[in-house]
Amino acid sequence: EAQVTQNPRYLITVTGKKLTVTCSQNMNHEYMSWYRQDPGLGLRQIYYSMNVEVTDKGDVPEGYKVSRKEKRNFPLILESPSPNQTSLYFCASSFKTTSGGHNEQFFGPGTRLTVL
Amino acid sequence: AQSVTQLDSHVSVSEGTPVLLRCNYSSSYSPSLFWYVQHPNKGLQLLLKYTSAATLVKGINGFEAEFKKSETSFHLTKPSAHMSDAAEYFCVVSDRGTYKYIFGTGTRLKVLA
Repeated sequence: EAQVTQNPRYLITVTGKKLTVTCSQNMNHEYMSWYRQDPGLGLRQIYYSMNVEVTDKGDVPEGYKVSRKEKRNFPLILESPSPNQTSLYFCASSFKTTSGGHNEQFFGPGTRLTVL
Repeated sequence: AQSVTQLDSHVSVSEGTPVLLRCNYSSSYSPSLFWYVQHPNKGLQLLLKYTSAATLVKGINGFEAEFKKSETSFHLTKPSAHMSDAAEYFCVVSDRGTYKYIFGTGTRLKVLA
């Protein structure tokens, strides 16, 4: 089944304790992205990757890191989490187009993170 | 710079009546525009997308949207609401040639029996 998976689905942690949220897709998509969803703010893009070893900042990258060493995986790293990073996180992937337009993004089920 | 404004944070309709969810966008270049739906405690699902082909776009579950460049709008409509349409809807814009996606703040649709 074509899908985007995220782990863990739920995480409660404490301020300053490094954590990684994994994201994996099995559709051979070039493009992957991370978003956070907060009430009243919609989804905001954190980082995205156009292909292996190619990443760029979205609108809210502060406090986050990413890497893209393999095409299928795009982990999100919080090196020193703070309470303002408590949020619902979504990973997404899509095929990249050569025409400059955009394809449908497929979203993972979300990771609910609480930082105490 | 690209941005998107969803004009209503909440919309209530009666079952069987039309649905209109409004979205205005700002884009420096030719945009791609999307509508996604999020049911409670679920992920996001694509309803429809506009990528410079036909301006009237038909999506899943009877939804459609019309791209109006002169009005910078991409409103989502459905002729007859169903109880299962109750969800949060997001309008999304992305400029051609970029890989940034900008989401609106969402419109929560309530369908009354």
